[in-house]
Amino acid sequence: QKEVEQNSGPLSVPEGAIASLNCTYSDRGSQSFFWYRQYSGKSPELIMFIYSNGDKEDGRFTAQLNKASQYVSLLIRDSQPSDSATYLCAVRGGGTYKYIFGTGTRLKVLA
Amino acid sequence: GAVVSQHPSWVICKSGTSVKIECRSLDFQATTMFWYRQFPKQSLMLMATSNEGSKATYEQGVEKDKFLINHASLTLSTLTVTSAHPEDSSFYICSASQRGSDTQYFGPGTRLTVL
Repeated sequence: QKEVEQNSGPLSVPEGAIASLNCTYSDRGSQSFFWYRQYSGKSPELIMFIYSNGDKEDGRFTAQLNKASQYVSLLIRDSQPSDSATYLCAVRGGGTYKYIFGTGTRLKVLA
Repeated sequence: GAVVSQHPSWVICKSGTSVKIECRSLDFQATTMFWYRQFPKQSLMLMATSNEGSKATYEQGVEKDKFLINHASLTLSTLTVTSAHPEDSSFYICSASQRGSDTQYFGPGTRLTVL
């Protein structure tokens, strides 16, 4: 069974700090990796995606991928209370357009 | 860009009735649309994948005769929950991706309550 695992949290960080969210996956053939943010009662919103090993930066967000270790992470710099949400990691395996979602990590940024 | 809408945003119905939910891609052609269901405090569960002009592919355990999916055009997919029961109450979310891309853009979701 292909799995994507995340720590459910909550992960609490003070305002202005760096929040680090981690995700591991079981399928070595996975091709694409996505981070979504989901506020309570709302649908997921795409933050960023990453395909290749290494870092990818977009504003305050940095995604990191390590295929050898089968993990992907999301760093949020200068965390704001508005970043408080559940962050979902999604992985697309090879040969399919379907995602496998992790259960999400709840982030709380304390003012 | 990449805006997906859903209608209605919420619906309350009586047990035994059918409910149709629409999912539209507003500014791109969605060759593939996905339907998810999310129960409180749980992650998204994929129900089915639909490609324009083809029959939907349902995930294991999802009844295709109960959850009817139609993807008649490149901008519209519909999910009909037939003979709804209280256990079908959930948050239904669609997503769409365009040809050549594996990025899914999500609609705002439809909250279904079956009394």
